[in-house]
Amino acid sequence: SQKIEQNSEALNIQEGKTATLTCNYTNYSPAYLQWYRQDPGRGPVFLLLIRENEKEKRKERLKVTFDTTLKQSLFHITASQPADSATYLCALGDTGRRALTFGSGTRLQVQP
Amino acid sequence: GAVVSQHPSRVICKSGTSVKIECRSLDFQATTMFWYRQFPKQSLMLMATSNEGSKATYEQGVEKDKFLINHASLTLSTLTVTSAHPEDSSFYICSARARGAGGSYNEQFFGPGTRLTVL
Repeated sequence: SQKIEQNSEALNIQEGKTATLTCNYTNYSPAYLQWYRQDPGRGPVFLLLIRENEKEKRKERLKVTFDTTLKQSLFHITASQPADSATYLCALGDTGRRALTFGSGTRLQVQP
Repeated sequence: GAVVSQHPSRVICKSGTSVKIECRSLDFQATTMFWYRQFPKQSLMLMATSNEGSKATYEQGVEKDKFLINHASLTLSTLTVTSAHPEDSSFYICSARARGAGGSYNEQFFGPGTRLTVL
């Protein structure tokens, strides 16, 4: 069955450092992968989408890589700030009209 | 960006009652809406896919008679939890997919979620 793994342990880093979150998947060939931010008691907020034929995508302080051979995506936040503290979810999608399949998320805590 | 609203944001009800949750796309037409459920510290689990004007498609293990979904227009989908029980207490989130924007990779826009507590 399809499986998406994100580190369930919280990631604690110091302000100004780069945070790197990992998303691994098995038994899946996604057409694209998305990263979302979720704050407690709120719905997910879309951050970045990367397609299967793209290696890297950037948006301001965010960078996403997508390695379909390793079946892995890395999500980087550079110059992290306490306001970046949240849970980050990766989600995989295909070209059909299906919903996204979400990982369980990794909680990021940026210490001032 | 596109906005999706949910109402109510929080509801507490007695066991055995029914609860209706609304999901609206405010500034775009949503051909497809999705309903997810999320338990504490867990991932979003898809419950059903709702297409305007047709019956919803439910995921395996989700009771269609218990979770009634109606997608009457391109901007509104409703989820009704019938005869709710304490185990139905959860965070329910809808998302909407815009019509024809960007090919196959249509972005999904999520609502803020509805916290249901069944006593």
